[in-house]
Amino acid sequence: DQQVKQNSPSLSVQEGRISILNCDYTNSMFDYFLWYKKYPAEGPTFLISISSIKDKNEDGRFTVFLNKSAKHLSLHIVPSQPGDSAVYFCAASLSNSGYALNFGKGTSLLVTP
Amino acid sequence: DAGVIQSPRHEVTEMGQEVTLRCKPISGHNSLFWYRQTMMRGLELLIYFNNNVPIDDSGMPEDRFSAKMPNASFSTLKIQPSEPRDSAVYFCAVSGTYTDTQYFGPGTRLTVL
Repeated sequence: DQQVKQNSPSLSVQEGRISILNCDYTNSMFDYFLWYKKYPAEGPTFLISISSIKDKNEDGRFTVFLNKSAKHLSLHIVPSQPGDSAVYFCAASLSNSGYALNFGKGTSLLVTP
Repeated sequence: DAGVIQSPRHEVTEMGQEVTLRCKPISGHNSLFWYRQTMMRGLELLIYFNNNVPIDDSGMPEDRFSAKMPNASFSTLKIQPSEPRDSAVYFCAVSGTYTDTQYFGPGTRLTVL
């Protein structure tokens, strides 16, 4: 029933190195993908998105890659910083369903000094 | 989350009691979403409104759950009667009309004893 899956519950990376967070989806109709970052006791914060017509979108240290044939997307953070430590949620939506979000269960990223 | 106020931030109640969660977007948004986060199911969509009209409530778990949006600046999610399995964090999110990016409130942590 889970249409968006993040198979790694946690990830630990050293400061300055690259963090790669992965996400898989099952519904080929999804046409918009987003990453959200969440700190404890706060709501998810929008980070970056990508439309299905693209395969890459970059915003500063954050890059999202989309592989439609594999139904896979990834978030690259480089260089990683301790302040990036948070839970990262992958989400997918259908433009014809009002962009309601289908979320993965999240990956907890820890960036160590 | 500066654009969305949720109240209360924490709610502890006893089984069988009525619970009302509130959401106030600070600035004008056309779409409003209610999500629930649990350990087992992650973040899941309950219902969303567009221009104050409920569009999809298929995620509402049972008839005990109801949501209203009487105007563009206010929405409520009501659970009557509440049960322990309703314990979760409930998030409200807003976006422009049929746009991709949603902005989340800080959430209400509900505990039903």
